[in-house]
Amino acid sequence: AQSVTQPDIHITVSEGASLELRCNYSYGATPYLFWYVQSPGQGLQLLLKYFSGDTLVQGIKGFEAEFKRSQSSFNLRKPSVHWSDAAEYFCAVGYGGATNKLIFGTGTLLAVQP
Amino acid sequence: NAGVTQTPKFQVLKTGQSMTLQCAQDMNHEYMSWYRQDPGMGLRLIHYSVGAGITDQGEVPNGYNVSRSTTEDFPLRLLSAAPSQTSVYFCATRGDNEKLFFGSGTQLSVL
Repeated sequence: AQSVTQPDIHITVSEGASLELRCNYSYGATPYLFWYVQSPGQGLQLLLKYFSGDTLVQGIKGFEAEFKRSQSSFNLRKPSVHWSDAAEYFCAVGYGGATNKLIFGTGTLLAVQP
Repeated sequence: NAGVTQTPKFQVLKTGQSMTLQCAQDMNHEYMSWYRQDPGMGLRLIHYSVGAGITDQGEVPNGYNVSRSTTEDFPLRLLSAAPSQTSVYFCATRGDNEKLFFGSGTQLSVL
């Protein structure tokens, strides 16, 4: 069965430090890949997505992600974290060339220390 | 534009009661969906619809009913609430480039 794994439940970084959040998926073909962010008490907001083409994608708020087929990974990165980036981050995958049924990871909660 | 509007924001039910979670959108999106969010489990798809009159099951459909009579509305019905349905429920539509737009959620407690 298709699955999405976010191995880090909770991450704490210092403001200004770099960030990498991990996401691995299980699927033979290239899926549709997404990163969403959720602030407390809010719905989710799309950060970026990958369907095909350049494997390094840029998103909003200075985030980027890289698709690595050999590692079945789609890790999210940011060079310098701001206090406002504290939130929960979800990786999501659409299989079979469609996004009618997205599968979400369990999320990574990011805390930012001053 | 309001986007995706969910009502109510909070609800407490007793086991066995029924209720409907409302979702309305003003973006004219064909696709609408319901997710539940539980601690440590991320979001799981309950039901979705690709247009008026068309619905399909997601990952966790048991105990929930949906219908889609108009493009704007996609209500989620709990016919006989159970404590296992205590969760935060999100409605989402899908716009251009497969982007999901989420409502602000309904927090449901079943006692």
